[in-house]
Amino acid sequence: ETGVTQSPTHLIKTRGQQVTLRCSSQSGHNTVSWYQQALGQGPQFIFQYYREEENGRGNFPPRFSGLQFPNYSSELNVNALELDDSALYLCATPGGTGETDTQYFGPGTRLTVL
Amino acid sequence: GQQLNQSPQSMFIQEGEDVSMNCTSSSIFNTWLWYKQDPGEGPVLLIALYKAGELTSNGRLTAQFGITRKDSFLNISASIPSDVGIYFCGDATNKLIFGTGTLLAVQP
Repeated sequence: ETGVTQSPTHLIKTRGQQVTLRCSSQSGHNTVSWYQQALGQGPQFIFQYYREEENGRGNFPPRFSGLQFPNYSSELNVNALELDDSALYLCATPGGTGETDTQYFGPGTRLTVL
Repeated sequence: GQQLNQSPQSMFIQEGEDVSMNCTSSSIFNTWLWYKQDPGEGPVLLIALYKAGELTSNGRLTAQFGITRKDSFLNISASIPSDVGIYFCGDATNKLIFGTGTLLAVQP
C-alpha cells in the first residue's frame, strides 16, 4: 500500500474531448510526478510538480497540463484528446527527501479514447 | 537521449526455478530502481540501489548496482506463481526513466 490514490480508475472519452485525472497522497508530499504508460511499454515521464509549480517536463505537448494544490493533491489535464492518448496514467510521489529519491506509484487511471 | 535496455524481453519458467534479468544504460546512473507491475496496476517498488557495487536483498529478490554504474541485475530465487508480472528497471538520477520491461511468466 503506497498511500497514493487516483481517480477515476477507468475513463472513456472521444477524440477532441478534454479529461481531468486526479491524484492524492496520504503522505502529503510536496512533489508529484505524472507518467503515461501505453500498452506494452514502460511508463513515460510527463511532468513533475513541486510546491504547486511545474518542475521538469518530458516530451509531451502543451495540451498535457497539470495542477498541484496547497494540500498537495494534483490533477493532470489533457485537452483535444487523440486516439494515441489511450493509456494508463500514473502519478507518483517520492519515498523520501529530495527529487532523486524512489517513487511510489498510485494504481493508475485507465483512459480509453475512442 | 538516455536509454535503458532490459533483457530478456520475456521469460517463461517453472515454479521453483531461479530467474535473472538485467538492465543496461547508455550513460552513468546514480540510482537504480527495480519495480514490478501487475496487470492494470501501478508499478510497485522492489529494490532501490544507490552505490556502485551495492548488493541488496528483499526476501527472495537480490539486485546489484554494477561497478561501471551502467548496469544492474535482478535475481529472483525459487520463483512462485505470484512472481508473474512485468519487471522494470528505472533510473532516478534526474527524473525517473524506465527500462523496456521484462515479462515473467511462472508455470505452477
